[in-house]
Amino acid sequence: SAVISQKPSRDICQRGTSLTIQCQVDSQVTMMFWYRQQPGQSLTLIATANQGSEATYESGFVIDKFPISRPNLTFSTLTVSNMSPEDSSIYLCSVAGTSVYNEQFFGPGTRLTVL
Amino acid sequence: KQEVTQIPAALSVPEGENLVLNCSFTDSAIYNLQWFRQDPGKGLTSLLLIQSSQREQTSGRLNASLDKSSGRSTLYIAASQPGDSATYLCAVRRETSGSRLTFGEGTQLTVNP
Repeated sequence: SAVISQKPSRDICQRGTSLTIQCQVDSQVTMMFWYRQQPGQSLTLIATANQGSEATYESGFVIDKFPISRPNLTFSTLTVSNMSPEDSSIYLCSVAGTSVYNEQFFGPGTRLTVL
Repeated sequence: KQEVTQIPAALSVPEGENLVLNCSFTDSAIYNLQWFRQDPGKGLTSLLLIQSSQREQTSGRLNASLDKSSGRSTLYIAASQPGDSATYLCAVRRETSGSRLTFGEGTQLTVNP
């Protein structure tokens, strides 16, 4: 299994600002994903972070609101832009191995509160 | 659209009990199913992955079964301990959904000493 770290672990932000979340993996992985978990709810996939190309976003999520970078096979960032209280969630980075059908592993999450 | 349901939503048991958590999904065309554990405010820990061709997987005190045709999976926890207290999530990957895992709402388990 991969060891995944995220920074920051939590943050409290003001409405209208942006926050960039970093995800670092201890080994090269093909597939990296970003999920959101709103309070009291289960996880929803935001996008697949593609190395060397634009991320693939799920329905309901757009690049202007959640820009993603993937400069190499061990690192990715997710930015939550122009935040509102509705963006208060846990954001989780996830990785899979060489195939999208492999077991997925998750980072510790970033707990974001927007005031 | 794939929907995943977990029953019960919450469960409280005394230490030492054997227990079963249930997961059902509406579209049986899945590639695999994964069980996770989530502690409050934390990330997810992968417990077991069952491929669609498999019937069950075991890891220590945990046993997960899969009945793909009926759209059901169960997670059996033997001899429960207070440290097992957490939320348990099941997630399925459809054959055509690529990377997307569809999650259930979870079962919040409390094991009382």
